[in-house]
Amino acid sequence: EVQLVESGGGLVQPGRSLRLSCAASGFTFEDYAMHWVRQAPGKGLEWVSGIRWSSGSIGYADSVKGRFTISRDNAKNSLYLEMNSLRPEDTALYYCAKDKGAGYFDYWGQGTLVTVSS
Amino acid sequence: IQLTQSPSSLSASVGDRVTITCRASQGIANYVAWYQQKPGKAPKLLIYAASTLQSGVPSRFSGSGSGTDFSLSISSLQPEDFATYYCQQLNSYPFSFGPGTKVDI
Repeated sequence: EVQLVESGGGLVQPGRSLRLSCAASGFTFEDYAMHWVRQAPGKGLEWVSGIRWSSGSIGYADSVKGRFTISRDNAKNSLYLEMNSLRPEDTALYYCAKDKGAGYFDYWGQGTLVTVSS
Repeated sequence: IQLTQSPSSLSASVGDRVTITCRASQGIANYVAWYQQKPGKAPKLLIYAASTLQSGVPSRFSGSGSGTDFSLSISSLQPEDFATYYCQQLNSYPFSFGPGTKVDI
């Protein structure tokens, strides 16, 4: 059974940093691209970042480019999102999602909540 | 690439046929997916490659379109289908989602 478990969320002050993790199991992690998608309270979905299996292709939403860094450790079956210079508008539930191929997200975690506030 | 969805919300009854449209700001071939999200839950993949039904998804869901115009149809709305639906484009980074269509009773 595929499982994606996010962690690392919490309350953080504007301008500070936070690192999210996603622990994957139930599939061969290194064979698949992975993504982060966020959802602000009461709002729609926003794709944040994605990374191919080999880390050779990485993309970011314009809203986070230069502040967020995605990475993966295939030996640990883990995906990460390093978030710097956090802003109140980064407040959201952050989901980790598995890419079944070509960018279609077939499995999602339950999300970890990030709140940016002073 | 920007995605628009219409309508933003709709009210329907069990048994109704419902169609949601998604328009892209530029051509994206068939690189479109549709997701269903219920309150407090993660999104669920329904359709990929514009018209391919994801495994386990009921056949009352269907997708069509290519280029810039796409649609998701539910042939006979069931009680469990009341949710918010999002289209997604994955033609190239950065990926993007539409603003969503809420389907309620």
